[in-house]
Amino acid sequence: DTEVTQTPKHLVMGMTNKKSLKCEQHMGHRAMYWYKQKAKKPPELMFVYSYEKLSINESVPSRFSPECPNSSLLNLHLHALQPEDSALYLCASSQEGQGAPQPQHFGDGTRLSIL
Amino acid sequence: RKEVEQDPGPFNVPEGATVAFNCTYSNSASQSFFWYRQDCRKEPKLLMSVYSSGNEDGRFTAQLNRASQYISLLIRDSKLSDSATYLCVVRGNTGKLIFGQGTTLQVKP
Repeated sequence: DTEVTQTPKHLVMGMTNKKSLKCEQHMGHRAMYWYKQKAKKPPELMFVYSYEKLSINESVPSRFSPECPNSSLLNLHLHALQPEDSALYLCASSQEGQGAPQPQHFGDGTRLSIL
Repeated sequence: RKEVEQDPGPFNVPEGATVAFNCTYSNSASQSFFWYRQDCRKEPKLLMSVYSSGNEDGRFTAQLNRASQYISLLIRDSKLSDSATYLCVVRGNTGKLIFGQGTTLQVKP
């Protein structure tokens, strides 16, 4: 069982819909991430939140809007998506700080299909 | 040149075989190194962190050579359940994880 929980597991939406993906972790991690993964490709980083502040936006289109309401929650708001946005969306979290390696722990993802 | 390069495979091996995966990275300032395993249509799961001194976890041994910017993963006595994609992952000094393309392993009975 993953310690990072994502909902929903599957989402089908039209190009005009607005929906949100949710991610929750209770490991006390202060860094949280959104990734997009297409079939047979590695995950691609979208956003990084560090101590609830957006620290990295990898030039993601504005139709994806992240939000970090508190240290345990991370949302990804979706609006006016395109068919090419269909993918597996993964949330991850990690400890912050220097020193020892900081592996990221992934949720099991939301499989998104845009009609 | 990709920042993290892996042989995509597939590696098809019989049960009980020993198999080795290699990975190279281009940024000498990289700080942390990991192997993740990803099953089909599942999330990546941390297999092991990789240290310069080398580390072992059961049948799995990981090595890091900072001078050559090279990482390896050795799997001994392969099991059917080892079939998956193995992702070489490097954490840079910005904190971002850089993923290799993944190496596919298929263990056959």
